[in-house]
Amino acid sequence: DTGVSQDPRHKITKRGQNVTFRCDPISEHNRLYWYRQTLGQGPEFLTYFQNEAQLEKSRLLSDRFSAERPKGSFSTLEIQRTEQGDSAMYLCASSWTEAFFGQGTRLTVV
Amino acid sequence: EDQVTQSPEALRLQEGESSSLNCSYTVSGLRGLFWYRQDPGKGPEFLFTLYSAGEEKEKERLKATLTKKESFLHITAPKPEDSATYLCAVQRGRDDKIIFGKGTRLHILP
Repeated sequence: DTGVSQDPRHKITKRGQNVTFRCDPISEHNRLYWYRQTLGQGPEFLTYFQNEAQLEKSRLLSDRFSAERPKGSFSTLEIQRTEQGDSAMYLCASSWTEAFFGQGTRLTVV
Repeated sequence: EDQVTQSPEALRLQEGESSSLNCSYTVSGLRGLFWYRQDPGKGPEFLFTLYSAGEEKEKERLKATLTKKESFLHITAPKPEDSATYLCAVQRGRDDKIIFGKGTRLHILP
């Protein structure tokens, strides 16, 4: 399968812990996007990369969120000191023209 | 400010009852407009890209159209398996950022 892969699919963590998610894009895609989605809402933009360069980070994101894309390949999204409000589906997409999504990582903070 | 607004928020139709979903947008330089389908607990599934006003794309019972200010997703003779959330997104020309609407939840009754 050469689609976008996200790991893990589900994560339950205690408040205050750090979590890291991974996204493996479609290999020839140069752009990679991260979104957050809560129930009944559309995907909310978090950040995106062109190759290894991070082009924009949402002003809604606190400094607890950081993302990397070393060597323009896979990407990681880290959330430090998680809060209950961070509970959501975290979606990754990659694109050359159209954007294709992975199945997401569902985070539950207890 | 770049914005995507979808209406209605939710729509219930009888099987076979055709209708249209609306996506109105404001964006500084449109590179493309995307439609996605999303099933509960899954990542969005790509349906169409539209690039210029007057363009139309079709896939099975779905047809997407584009004007300078809005896009429509027409659903002809829908079936229960068409029930899903339909998301509209625009890609900004100057930097390829992709911005989503909140989606329309479509429910087709048998």
